[in-house]
Amino acid sequence: LAKTTQPISMDSYEGQEVNITCSHNNIATNDYITWYQQFPSQGPRFIIQGYKTKVTNEVASLFIPADRKSSTLSLPRVSLSDTAVYYCLVGPEGIGSSNTGKLIFGQGTTLQVKP
Amino acid sequence: DGGITQSPKYLFRKEGQNVTLSCEQNLNHDAMYWYRQDPGQGLRLIYYSQIVNDFQKGDIAEGYSVSREKKESFPLTVTSAQKNPTAFYLCASISQDGGRRYGYTFGSGTRLTVV
Repeated sequence: LAKTTQPISMDSYEGQEVNITCSHNNIATNDYITWYQQFPSQGPRFIIQGYKTKVTNEVASLFIPADRKSSTLSLPRVSLSDTAVYYCLVGPEGIGSSNTGKLIFGQGTTLQVKP
Repeated sequence: DGGITQSPKYLFRKEGQNVTLSCEQNLNHDAMYWYRQDPGQGLRLIYYSQIVNDFQKGDIAEGYSVSREKKESFPLTVTSAQKNPTAFYLCASISQDGGRRYGYTFGSGTRLTVV
């Protein structure tokens, strides 16, 4: 299983763009990269998932270079409510996959947005 | 609205007691999971089930038991054999054919405290 490495914590200010990078050197061919957001005393919430290049939704963008050994979650114009823990996960997910729930949640990146 | 319901939100257990945490989903998801989260830590997989009447141990299954008699329900029992059960417990589910778009759906968690 691919192990991920991400910064323990990051600080930002309201209105700034935040980029959180995750390293996953041992990513497998059938692995997807997924990011989750967790607020205190709540379950994680799915943000975005991708396989290669760039994925964008209404919340964030995910940039994945050609070698797929890292990925960057980009949050545009953060607000105080974006203060949370962000997890980068790598594992087999996708249509028709036989994922066995072995996604590994590390410590994540605690993002603190300041006014 | 579809989702995962965990109950109770808070649970207190006396030494030597077994307690059961409830997890119900109305998303028609095939696979369900139980994770444990300790303060400042990531999530660790306890048990998971991909189909009714079948389940697999995760990384920290000792002292826990589960059942999957219905697709919608995946209760977790914390037995007296679990020596350090105080933690935040999260239930999750995923559709086998929708994982790429939506990832895992998590419940709001149960906070278990030994008194």
